Amino acid sequence: AQSVTQLDSQVPVFEEAPVELRCNYSSSVSVYLFWYVQYPNQGLQLLLKYLSGSTLVKGINGFEAEFNKSQTSFHLRKPSVHISDTAEYFCAVRPGGSGGSNYKLTFGKGTLLTVNP
Amino acid sequence: DVKVTQSSRYLVKRTGEKVFLECVQDMDHENMFWYRQDPGLGLRLIYFSYDVKMKEKGDIPEGYSVSREKKERFSLILESASTNQTSMYLCASSTVGGPYGYTFGSGTRLTVV
Repeated sequence: AQSVTQLDSQVPVFEEAPVELRCNYSSSVSVYLFWYVQYPNQGLQLLLKYLSGSTLVKGINGFEAEFNKSQTSFHLRKPSVHISDTAEYFCAVRPGGSGGSNYKLTFGKGTLLTVNP
Repeated sequence: DVKVTQSSRYLVKRTGEKVFLECVQDMDHENMFWYRQDPGLGLRLIYFSYDVKMKEKGDIPEGYSVSREKKERFSLILESASTNQTSMYLCASSTVGGPYGYTFGSGTRLTVV
């Protein structure tokens, strides 16, 4: 089974500052990793994903994440945030295989990013 | 534009009622999922289905059942609603054959009074 820990439940930052949202995972098998964003009163949308290969993954809206296998981490970063980035961010993991329950995503509890002017 | 549609955005039901939450996807996805989202708890998987008429329990299936008679539709059923089932319910779908993420619906906020 997999588990995900998002180390910060809330992260307040000022506009144009850099931000890092931390995510650690646990798994006995190889995994795929995802970051999702949820704007107020909306469903979740995919920001980026790590499947294999380069450990630095670029996503939408200027976000990127770095996979670190030795530290079992997948932290999300943005060099300069905007007010519109205020949202809840979820890290998620699933097994790297195919079939049946391998498609099941396990989510972290979320990090609320608040960007202040 | 491909999407996952949840039939109701907001629902208010009484304790003991039988409640149906409907989800339809137009992407021909094989897999469909129901999660509930509560503050501080993130998303927890209730049930999922990887084929028509197939279902598997997730992490918190108690008090819920599901139905998938057609590939595009996945229904969540609360047999006898209780106040502790007040929550945001999110439906998602995904395809097989690749490490793709989910496509989520906009959610149904259910209040049981």
